[in-house]
Amino acid sequence: EVQLVESGGGIVQPGGSLRLSCAASGFTFSSYWMHWVRQAPGEGLVWVSRIHSDGSSTKYADSVKGRFTISRDNAKNTLYLQMSSLRAEDTAVYYCARDYRGELDPWGQGTLVIVSS
Amino acid sequence: DIQMTQSPSSLSASVGDRVTITCRASQGIRNDLGWYQQKPGKAPKRLIYAASSFQSGVPSRFSGSGSGTDFTLTISSLQPEDFATYYCLQYDSYPWTFGQGTKVEIK
Repeated sequence: EVQLVESGGGIVQPGGSLRLSCAASGFTFSSYWMHWVRQAPGEGLVWVSRIHSDGSSTKYADSVKGRFTISRDNAKNTLYLQMSSLRAEDTAVYYCARDYRGELDPWGQGTLVIVSS
Repeated sequence: DIQMTQSPSSLSASVGDRVTITCRASQGIRNDLGWYQQKPGKAPKRLIYAASSFQSGVPSRFSGSGSGTDFTLTISSLQPEDFATYYCLQYDSYPWTFGQGTKVEIK
């Protein structure tokens, strides 16, 4: 079964850091581009970042550029999102998703990040 | 950035109704558009990609159309399990952008 499982969410103070992980199974992880998408409480979906299958290329939303870093370890079948200088507006459920020609499927179950003092 | 304007933001419909949701891009995106369904407390699920294509497992009552700037998601006969929020997503250029969502509620 193709599956993505996020972890690493929690409560962090403004200005703090957190690293999210997304463990992939059931498919050849190293063959796919991967994305992070977030959703603030009660709000819509917002695309955050994308990484090439071999990690050679990355893209970011302007709102996180310079603060978040997407990376992957293909040997461990794991995607990461390193988040720093966190702000209250980064509070959201963060989803990872597999990309096949623009189609995001599947998605993980999400991990909640709360930025609060 | 490409802006995606989705309408309506919400609608009330009955089981068996035909439902149409539209998404308009601020510039042409060819057919690089997907539709996603999200139920409360759950991760989104893809319904449609490339504006009108769908993988096995998606009920045939869902269909997509459009190209360029105007796109439509149609549910031909609304079923109880279809009450959810629907989002369009353009992947023609970065940053990818979602529409603001359409909440489909029971009438």
